[in-house]
Amino acid sequence: DAKTTQPPSMDCAEGRAANLPCNHSTISGNEYVYWYRQIHSQGPQYIIHGLKNNETNEMASLIITEDRKSSTLILPHATLRDTAVYYCIVGRETSGSRLTFGEGTQLTVNP
Amino acid sequence: DAGITQSPRHKVTETGTPVTLRCHQTENHRYMYWYRQDPGHGLRLIHYSYGVKDTDKGEVSDGYSVSRSKTEDFLLTLESATSSQTSVYFCAISELGATPWGYTFGSGTRLTVV
Repeated sequence: DAKTTQPPSMDCAEGRAANLPCNHSTISGNEYVYWYRQIHSQGPQYIIHGLKNNETNEMASLIITEDRKSSTLILPHATLRDTAVYYCIVGRETSGSRLTFGEGTQLTVNP
Repeated sequence: DAGITQSPRHKVTETGTPVTLRCHQTENHRYMYWYRQDPGHGLRLIHYSYGVKDTDKGEVSDGYSVSRSKTEDFLLTLESATSSQTSVYFCAISELGATPWGYTFGSGTRLTVV
């Protein structure tokens, strides 16, 4: 599976949009981009995923560049509860795909 | 949330003793995974299962074994615990076409080997 590169940490003001970048320059055509987050010591939580089109759900938006070599997770109105480690992962379709979690980005939302 | 529970939640054990961690799911998902999480290493896959009695190794499988005799249970065993196996262990499940999409993780087991 392709590897990803994320900044180790980011800060965001409460109520503002949080834009978390991810580079995945070696992504293959059949690999998806997944985003998970881990709040404190809880188990990681699925946020969103996409193949090549931009995606939006109730939690976030995912913007994937046309060449698919990078993506951005957008939390439109960050709250203090969004403070967490965010993981960008590239892999084939979930079932049976052994997703590899890197170090992620520690997002701190400040009041 | 999907029904996945890990037991025990916390355990302290002595070096050299066997330890078994249990992951139980009520979602009938085919795929189950064991990860460990350590500072500076993110989550690393230990073993995974793609069906009853079908398991395979992950990237950090040395010192661990698993068993899956029925769909709902995936057991992780440390045959002889070492201090390097002190970690937080997470179980996850997944299934094609399931809702919610993606992996669903348990709450974790914090294991301390003294």
